[in-house]
Amino acid sequence: DTGVSQDPRHKITKRGQNVTFRCDPISEHNRLYWYRQTLGQGPEFLTYFQNEAQLEKSRLLSDRFSAERPKGSFSTLEIQRTEQGDSAMYLCASSFNPNTGELFFGEGSRLTVL
Amino acid sequence: ILNVEQSPQSLHVQEGDSTNFTCSFPSSNFYALHWYRWETAKSPEALFVMTLNGDEKKKGRISATLNTKEGYSYLYIKGSQPEDSATYLCASYSGAGSYQLTFGKGTKLSVIP
Repeated sequence: DTGVSQDPRHKITKRGQNVTFRCDPISEHNRLYWYRQTLGQGPEFLTYFQNEAQLEKSRLLSDRFSAERPKGSFSTLEIQRTEQGDSAMYLCASSFNPNTGELFFGEGSRLTVL
Repeated sequence: ILNVEQSPQSLHVQEGDSTNFTCSFPSSNFYALHWYRWETAKSPEALFVMTLNGDEKKKGRISATLNTKEGYSYLYIKGSQPEDSATYLCASYSGAGSYQLTFGKGTKLSVIP
């Protein structure tokens, strides 16, 4: 399978715990995005990487959130001290066209914070 | 920050009916408009990426039009089939130094056999 893969697909955690999600983009794509979707909303932009450089971060990305893309390959999104409001679907997408190219999404990681 | 609106929020149609959805977006600083289909338990999948005013694209029974001057796009599905049941998302890209796509809330289509 050469699509975008995300792990884990589902995560249930208690409030205050840390969680980490991983995204493996399509190998030739140098651009990687993280989005978050909550119930009744469309996907909301979190952050963008071009190769290993994090070029844009949303104001939604509080200091409890951190994303990395070492070596410009896979990416991780870590949430520290989770809160119930962090419960959402976390979507990763990659692309190779800088402006108008379509995004290729993974199936998402669903987080439930109890 | 762009505000992308989609209507209706949800739609139920009979198999064989044709249907259409609307996406409106700010026309200033427009660069590209994307349509995605998101089936339950799967990943969102791109249908169309449109950039030119008046552009019309087609993929099988699905087509889309774009009006960048007034800031709207229509998605049409001809002869809906149960496998068309999904949430249809549109997203606008403005360029202007930002890399993000701004998504609408989506239109959830249910096709009744």
